[in-house]
Amino acid sequence: DTAVSQTPKYLVTQMGNDKSIKCEQNLGHDTMYWYKQDSKKFLKIMFSYNNKELIINETVPNRFSPKSPDKAHLNLHINSLELGDSAVYFCASSHEMGLASGLGTYEQYFGPGTRLTVT
Amino acid sequence: GDSVTQMEGPVTLSEEAFLTINCTYTATGYPSLFWYVQYPGEGLQLLLKATKADDKGSNKGFEATYRKETTSFHLEKGSVQVSDSAVYFCALRSGTYKYIFGTGTRLKVLA
Repeated sequence: DTAVSQTPKYLVTQMGNDKSIKCEQNLGHDTMYWYKQDSKKFLKIMFSYNNKELIINETVPNRFSPKSPDKAHLNLHINSLELGDSAVYFCASSHEMGLASGLGTYEQYFGPGTRLTVT
Repeated sequence: GDSVTQMEGPVTLSEEAFLTINCTYTATGYPSLFWYVQYPGEGLQLLLKATKADDKGSNKGFEATYRKETTSFHLEKGSVQVSDSAVYFCALRSGTYKYIFGTGTRLKVLA
């Protein structure tokens, strides 16, 4: 079973369109993230959700709207796509609860990525 | 703010050569440190980690030691293989929920 899965793997679309990327994790983790990786492999965090609540919202255009229907899913909707949105988007998850007691594993688990190409 | 600096690549080595990829960090408190590896067309995978000073993380022949006095977490491997060709990311956990990644170092191993 895939721990963190994303769909679709590839997404080619035109400027101005609206698209969504879906992410699911079956690890029982309580925190999920979206990252954007540019062509130079630089990885930038976009959002973080803990138990369906938004925790981190980095400086991201409000055309990007994450939604977490439950703690196993975190979707990313992008409105009015622009050329600069072309990148690979990674979903990740981690278990943050219980770390104060020494439980939890800290590390993040990543999905396979969604390559978005805007033409 | 907290940050991670790793050596720029690409690093090109012959098979069986010794590998070092440097990583230094700036952080308040006591961060956890990680190395992730990204093979072509795939997501990042955890390679190893260390959660406190002097801890040594190791996996698949790779090692890194958490050095608080030099704020470093250099990645080493004694004998690289072609299959180790990938992009390597140093990262730290800077407080709850927030992870900071370095810019990645591409390693190419030639047969």
